[in-house]
Amino acid sequence: DTEVTQTPKHLVMGMTNKKSLKCEQHMGHRAMYWYKQKAKKPPELMFVYSYEKLSINESVPSRFSPECPNSSLLNLHLHALQPEDSALYLCASSQDRVSGGAGETQYFGPGTRLLVL
Amino acid sequence: QKEVEQNSGPLSVPEGAIASLNCTYSDRVSQSFFWYRQYSGKSPELIMSIYSNGDKEDGRFTAQLNKASQYVSLLIRDSQPSDSATYLCAVHTLSGAGSYQLTFGKGTKLSVIP
Repeated sequence: DTEVTQTPKHLVMGMTNKKSLKCEQHMGHRAMYWYKQKAKKPPELMFVYSYEKLSINESVPSRFSPECPNSSLLNLHLHALQPEDSALYLCASSQDRVSGGAGETQYFGPGTRLLVL
Repeated sequence: QKEVEQNSGPLSVPEGAIASLNCTYSDRVSQSFFWYRQYSGKSPELIMSIYSNGDKEDGRFTAQLNKASQYVSLLIRDSQPSDSATYLCAVHTLSGAGSYQLTFGKGTKLSVIP
């Protein structure tokens, strides 16, 4: 089973709203990722959690706030977003982040399509 | 800046033909290489992973890796209209912070014509 789930599937929010995206995996993976993908572009890495600790933050604006409550769950809290933040937000997980081998293989969830008005 | 280059396409092939997708990468120390398929509006789906030089076959898909040339390819035999999608090449690269992360190419859009 290589399933990563994400909720909600779609989200429309105003620039003053606060919302959260959720991601869950039950594969025992210890690394989880948030990516942002704009139309016709590849995914862009935002955050990486390894063993529930934030290990990479790719200079993402503070209006995006990640949280990893436990090894199976990853949240992305959204506040005061801009229309240019509208995109597909992808969660992924991998067994670990040790270089060299199948443990690095990342499996993606279905994504949350976000529209900021 | 670690780069992964792909021809953006679109690449059009007739149904039943072989589709050949190519990718080059700049980081010589990369060890892990992946092909993802992404249908329009959907998330990337892992098709193949390859770690050693040579060919790796899985059904109609064959991944080829040449580390000396820093080149990885994906062949799709007996192409079907359902193979029409964007194919993303992804390479594990060493970031400036000293950790590995996945670097994606811009993707090649494949159209299989019935």
